[in-house]
Amino acid sequence: KAGVTQTPRYLIKTRGQQVTLSCSPISGHRSVSWYQQTPGQGLQFLFEYFSETQRNKGNFPGRFSGRQFSNSRSEMNVSTLELGDSALYLCASSLAPTGGSGQPQHFGDGTRLSIL
Amino acid sequence: SQELEQSPQSLIVQEGKNLTINCTSSKTLYGLYWYKQKYGEGLIFLMMLQKGGEEKSHEKITAKLDEKKQQSSLHITASQPSHAGIYLCGADRTGGTSYGKLTFGQGTILTVHP
Repeated sequence: KAGVTQTPRYLIKTRGQQVTLSCSPISGHRSVSWYQQTPGQGLQFLFEYFSETQRNKGNFPGRFSGRQFSNSRSEMNVSTLELGDSALYLCASSLAPTGGSGQPQHFGDGTRLSIL
Repeated sequence: SQELEQSPQSLIVQEGKNLTINCTSSKTLYGLYWYKQKYGEGLIFLMMLQKGGEEKSHEKITAKLDEKKQQSSLHITASQPSHAGIYLCGADRTGGTSYGKLTFGQGTILTVHP
């Protein structure tokens, strides 16, 4: 069974540009969560989608957005990139939203975004 | 302060030694997940604990959730170089309303010398 697939693996952008990252969850998983990982702040929750609906959002500015498609694939978009957006962006999928369901999240290898 | 405190922050051991990593929360944990990460890569799911007093083992790794569900420990027996990496605890801290959000500790960097 294929794991969580994130594309691209590496991305270099300049300040002010926008970027779209893609995540294909494990087959049958309907919940997709996104996280940002930096050396200073660690792993921080961005948002979660289930059945094409955003059900939870972390404390990030509106420049960070996402969506989920009917096949559970998800994308996240960051507009007007800033130097501080340089990070490893991780996507995780689970059968059901974590939280009382007892379903663990399974992570992809991430997209390394570098802002010049 | 961190919502989840991991200790120690880093650990260097000789191959064959036992070690323990702790994860402490100031609030009740509704689910505690242990992951391992190689630098720059994704997180590999190790174990999930939900019930107070629960203990799970996989190969040489054992994880426990204390009775009050506010602390978990990860114990590695007879460590090997393959155990090296960053260990992260992730917690569901709100139960049924967390909707996909895990709160993570800052990680413990484990180095195992052959």
